[in-house]
Amino acid sequence: DIQMTQSPSSLSASVGDIVTITCRASQSIRSYVNWYQQKPGKAPKLLIYAASTLQSGVPSRFTGSGSGTDFTLTIRSLQPEDFATYFCQQSYSTPQLTFGGGTKVEIK
Amino acid sequence: EVKVEESGGGLVQPGGSLRLSCAASGFTISGSYMTWVRRAPGKRLECVSYIYSSGSIYYADSVRGRFTVSRDNSNNTLHLQMNNLRDEDTAVYYCARAWDVVLEPAAKAHNWFDPWGQGTLVTVSS
Repeated sequence: DIQMTQSPSSLSASVGDIVTITCRASQSIRSYVNWYQQKPGKAPKLLIYAASTLQSGVPSRFTGSGSGTDFTLTIRSLQPEDFATYFCQQSYSTPQLTFGGGTKVEIK
Repeated sequence: EVKVEESGGGLVQPGGSLRLSCAASGFTISGSYMTWVRRAPGKRLECVSYIYSSGSIYYADSVRGRFTVSRDNSNNTLHLQMNNLRDEDTAVYYCARAWDVVLEPAAKAHNWFDPWGQGTLVTVSS
């Protein structure tokens, strides 16, 4: 299976900050990465697919980048509603899709 | 509104069985890719089953032979029959619609999950 190593596992930030979360794949997966947001007790929500394409309705302060093995989710000007857990997922080896361990973004 | 909603979770003893349901609205499951994903305590999300629009079904090694997915097209509902449950099956189980989309010519399709349900908790314990 392709392993997705996500970092950091948690971070503290303030409203207005820029937050960067990274995922590293155990082999090249080209642009086959998606990013999700999950708030406690809620359904995970798709933010970005194919490494950099913003899902409809997702604010433009969320951006995804990267290809090959290294990927980044950036949140510019963090908003109160962005405090959540974020997951990456690789879709290179469908149907064996695997996830990163998650990053919890907390209020500083 | 396109959404899915899981039900059927609960407490079950090791070796027992449980059947989860995923009711879809706003789209038809019969022509869609679907998936069951779980998150066990302290573990990362795990895709336990991936259902192709053709009806073919993939099962993760951890559940193959014990879990079975079926589709009830008349009720637009997906089911996950879980037998011979183990402690390590304790998790929140999510259902989601899966997408299989070719974005570049001659390239492999991209796959992502959207929407997800809120999940249903399965606890395996004596």
